[in-house]
Amino acid sequence: DQQVKQNSPSLSVQEGRISILNCDYTNSMFDYFLWYKKYPAEGPTFLISISSIKDKNEDGRFTVFLNKSAKHLSLHIVPSQPGDSAVYFCAARTSGSRLTFGEGTQLTVNP
Amino acid sequence: DTAVSQTPKYLVTQMGNDKSIKCEQNLGHDTMYWYKQDSKKFLKIMFSYNNKELIINETVPNRFSPKSPDKAHLNLHINSLELGDSAVYFCASSPQASWGAETQYFGPGTRLLVL
Repeated sequence: DQQVKQNSPSLSVQEGRISILNCDYTNSMFDYFLWYKKYPAEGPTFLISISSIKDKNEDGRFTVFLNKSAKHLSLHIVPSQPGDSAVYFCAARTSGSRLTFGEGTQLTVNP
Repeated sequence: DTAVSQTPKYLVTQMGNDKSIKCEQNLGHDTMYWYKQDSKKFLKIMFSYNNKELIINETVPNRFSPKSPDKAHLNLHINSLELGDSAVYFCASSPQASWGAETQYFGPGTRLLVL
């Protein structure tokens, strides 16, 4: 019973364009959502997060959108750069609980 | 300077063997974690220690035994290895027990293959 799903295993985008990574969840008790970025042979690193009381959080080129009614969040990267090529994990938690991760989306940004 | 390091990076072994994975963090953090990334790529927490005390123990077979000799180290010992144990195991640390895991720092992972 996977409560956080990233249905696109991969995404390919041209440099300078927008990358949109999607994540769906089933547990309505999740109240905090995070995105992690992972390069090959490295551990995940925190990228950006959003609380369920917000619907948008922005940090430089990265913006996370949350649609609670649809139980959907997305990560927008604009403009995309080749160095953004990595696996992106979505994660969610309920108050005081451990994180539940999605299976990741491999983003490739082509020069 | 590696903040969270794991050894070995790769581990290939036979079914039934016992093996250990070591983790060390030089960040001065109080809390350390073990995660497992399975073949479906999901990252799942296994254990967490805070100041050498076990605070999370997920539904993990008791063949897996974490050991924290001090707060900078959290080792994972696995007895009687099975094929299904093949995965990437990530160690992580955080300044304190934190469910807002943006404060967690991950190691590079140990790729375990059981033949």
